[in-house]
Amino acid sequence: QKEVEQDPGPLSVPEGAIVSLNCTYSNSAFQYFMWYRQYSRKGPELLMYTYSSGNKEDGRFTAQVDKSSKYISLFIRDSQPSDSATYLCAMSGGAQKLVFGQGTRLTINP
Amino acid sequence: EPEVTQTPSHQVTQMGQEVILRCVPISNHLYFYWYRQILGQKVEFLVSFYNNEISEKSEIFDDQFSVERPDGSNFTLKIRSTKLEDSAMYFCASSERDIRFTGELFFGEGSRLTVL
Repeated sequence: QKEVEQDPGPLSVPEGAIVSLNCTYSNSAFQYFMWYRQYSRKGPELLMYTYSSGNKEDGRFTAQVDKSSKYISLFIRDSQPSDSATYLCAMSGGAQKLVFGQGTRLTINP
Repeated sequence: EPEVTQTPSHQVTQMGQEVILRCVPISNHLYFYWYRQILGQKVEFLVSFYNNEISEKSEIFDDQFSVERPDGSNFTLKIRSTKLEDSAMYFCASSERDIRFTGELFFGEGSRLTVL
């Protein structure tokens, strides 16, 4: 089983839709859960992170972590064409490194 | 807004040549990292560096790779004898605290390495 699994998509939704992105993981040591946005041939940009289980909201973005299910989600409300990018989940805990998911390619259609 | 800067943005080299990729981490950060991303694949961890020492490295980071903080601002990745399979985007990253205890790890824009 892969340490972090993420559906690579692609995912295409109309502007204004609610987007749901998610990852599953197998390593119980993970404590920090991050979401990065990556535009083509650019570096990952940190959107938000959550420590342990729970929800965190930042503007149109909400991150959720369910450690009992080893499942994390990112919701984007009122999606905009500028949200079109690849979204990477990443996790850390127990080692000095992040483990990334494959990334989900998202397109928001005007 | 403080950012991690990397040079060069793109380097083309011949197989067997040495390459040095340079990074300037965010100024008050103490932990430095290199990651790489082969086209179409996951971002993969290479090495973490703290207090002038490697603190952790992956299986990818073999004897062909080395890192150095030659002065108070730069952090470099050297590939001694490049192979075709070293072609990738190399990302430098930095954090103020140990990544085991924070979610705030910031990446540079990357250096694209093409080995011919």
